[in-house]
Amino acid sequence: EDQVTQSPEALRLQEGESSSLNCSYTVSGLRGLFWYRQDPGKGPEFLFTLYSAGEEKEKERLKATLTKKESFLHITAPKPEDSATYLCAVPKGNSSASKIIFGSGTRLSIRP
Amino acid sequence: GAGVSQSPRYKVAKRGQDVALRCDPISGHVSLFWYQQALGQGPEFLTYFQNEAQLDKSGLPSDRFFAERPEGSVSTLKIQRTQQEDSAVYLCASSYDWHNGYTFGSGTRLTVV
Repeated sequence: EDQVTQSPEALRLQEGESSSLNCSYTVSGLRGLFWYRQDPGKGPEFLFTLYSAGEEKEKERLKATLTKKESFLHITAPKPEDSATYLCAVPKGNSSASKIIFGSGTRLSIRP
Repeated sequence: GAGVSQSPRYKVAKRGQDVALRCDPISGHVSLFWYQQALGQGPEFLTYFQNEAQLDKSGLPSDRFFAERPEGSVSTLKIQRTQQEDSAVYLCASSYDWHNGYTFGSGTRLTVV
């Protein structure tokens, strides 16, 4: 069964303290992997799509990487405004607009 | 519109009451999705439309849940005879091309008392 598992569940960092969030997946025929950010009271906001092992994408202090079994979201020198829940997701199915299945997320808190 | 709009933002229903949640997707987005999100969890897929056709409703938890998109734009998620376990945030998302991710609305928080 297709599954997405994220760790840790929660992470508290000091401002400027770099770290990584993990997303491991078991999906037959991976077509892509998404990272989203979700703020309290809001819907998830799209960050990245990764397609193949070795691919990397960056946005400000965030860098997402992909291997054959997992993805990492690296956060470099985070600021308090980076505090949010980060969700990983994969598409399931073969159609051009398949449903995506989400992990349970990592709640990231950055202390000033 | 500029984004996906959902209404109401909050809904309190008495157990047994019927509710209707509305989603206005981004104009031109062919695909529309409904998700349910419990506190501290990731969104769980409910159902998906391509234009007016409901292509996948495998995530609807029971026959009390019903969704429609009659003209291929606005969608309504209806829950009949609400139960306490239906309390959650209901998220709607639309997409033109999944490669660029889905755009989510802010959700409707449903509380069944």
